[in-house]
Amino acid sequence: DIQMTQSPSSLSASVGDRVTITCRASQSITTYLNWYQQKPGKAPKLLIYGASSLQSGVPSRFSGSGSGTDFTLTISSLQPEDFATYYCQQSYSTPPVTFGQGTKLEIK
Amino acid sequence: QVQLQESGPGLVKPSGTLSLTCAVSGGSVSSGHWWSWVRQPPGKGLEWIGEIYHSGRTNFNPSLKSRVTISVDKSKNQFSLKLNSVTASDTAVYYCARDGDDRVFDYWGQGTLVTVSS
Repeated sequence: DIQMTQSPSSLSASVGDRVTITCRASQSITTYLNWYQQKPGKAPKLLIYGASSLQSGVPSRFSGSGSGTDFTLTISSLQPEDFATYYCQQSYSTPPVTFGQGTKLEIK
Repeated sequence: QVQLQESGPGLVKPSGTLSLTCAVSGGSVSSGHWWSWVRQPPGKGLEWIGEIYHSGRTNFNPSLKSRVTISVDKSKNQFSLKLNSVTASDTAVYYCARDGDDRVFDYWGQGTLVTVSS
C-alpha cells in the first residue's frame, strides 16, 4: 500500500494568513493526488484533484501543487470558514485508496 | 445534483454483521461511476473500505477484504455494505461516496455513526 504522510498534523493560523500543508507519498504517484476539507460532523468535501485542479465551486484562494512524492495545499488568505481538517488522498495505485492522517487547521 | 444517503442500524453487537445502504438520488448507480464506502473512527482519519461498479465488479481494502461484501441494486438505485465479525474497532462514521473519475470522491453522503457494543 502507498502510505501518505501529512505535515504538520495541526496548525494554528490567523484570518488573512497564507497557509501551506504538505503531503508526502511513500512512492511516486505522479499527480494522482486529491485534497479534501472536513468540518466537524460533516462529510469530506473535495477541494483539489489531480494535484492542482480546483473542483468546481471551490474558492480560488485554494491551490495545489506537486508531483511524484511531494505535494502542497496552499490557502492564500485564510477565511473564517477555512478552519477545518484537511486530508490528502492518493488514487494512483489502488486498491486500496489511501488517505493522509489529516491536518487540523485551528484559529490562533 | 447527485445526493447520497446512508441508512442502517446505529448499533451492532460484537461478532455481528454491520449492514448499511446508500441511496442515490439525482443520478444513477448505472451511470458509469464506481461507488465507494469510506469510514472514520471517532476522532481519527479516513479509511477506504471498498467500491462497486454497476456491473457488480468490486474492489476492497486488503485490510478488510475477508469481512466485507458490497452489492448494488440497480432497481432501487442503491448500493450496500456488509461487514461481518465486527468488533469495537469497527465503530466509526460510515460514508458512501461517488468516484467521479480516477477515484476522486466528488459526492459524499452525510455519514452514519455505527457503534459496535453489547
